[in-house]
Amino acid sequence: ETGVTQSPTHLIKTRGQQVTLRCSSQSGHNTVSWYQQALGQGPQFIFQYYREEENGRGNFPPRFSGLQFPNYSSELNVNALELDDSALYLCASSLDRAEFFGPGTRLTVL
Amino acid sequence: AQRVTQPEKLLSVFKGAPVELKCNYSYSGSPELFWYVQYSRQRLQLLLRHISRESIKGFTADLNKGETSFHLKKPFAQEEDSAMYYCALGNAGGTSYGKLTFGQGTILTVHP
Repeated sequence: ETGVTQSPTHLIKTRGQQVTLRCSSQSGHNTVSWYQQALGQGPQFIFQYYREEENGRGNFPPRFSGLQFPNYSSELNVNALELDDSALYLCASSLDRAEFFGPGTRLTVL
Repeated sequence: AQRVTQPEKLLSVFKGAPVELKCNYSYSGSPELFWYVQYSRQRLQLLLRHISRESIKGFTADLNKGETSFHLKKPFAQEEDSAMYYCALGNAGGTSYGKLTFGQGTILTVHP
């Protein structure tokens, strides 16, 4: 168990609102990645942070943004929510070239 | 562009039967392949990766660069193997890692 935690567990928002999701990884895991998992699909890479700098981005618009903090916590922010943003959002911290995932935050956009 | 294909969305076998979950990939660089598993009500967890060349819970997977495949195999399936399995592709080159591309997953059901 790698101890990656995410909050909140579930979240309901309405279209157009903004949301912040949080992740806490273990000390020493200086790389964190965020993934979006739509229902019935595999996780899709959003972006990665390494030492508090963005280190790669998937095919997601700029309204998806992130932050990584020195205490190994990180945030995913999504502005102007759309219905299609409804998904499970996964945070993963990296150790020895493998990703270790948190339990996810289920976001529902109404 | 990177792509991972898991052709079977559902796979059912009986306990004790061999099982093979297929994974094919498309990647122009040096690939790093993983299998992740998600048991009911649990988080996604790493099962194995090709660079380790190890057997975990009786599962093995061999990277075949000629066929661009990384199929997951187990000679004798157990009921506790029932889960969702994802094949994932990363970049083995340099210091860039993670940023995985996942397949759509295969739901394995092992019947008693």
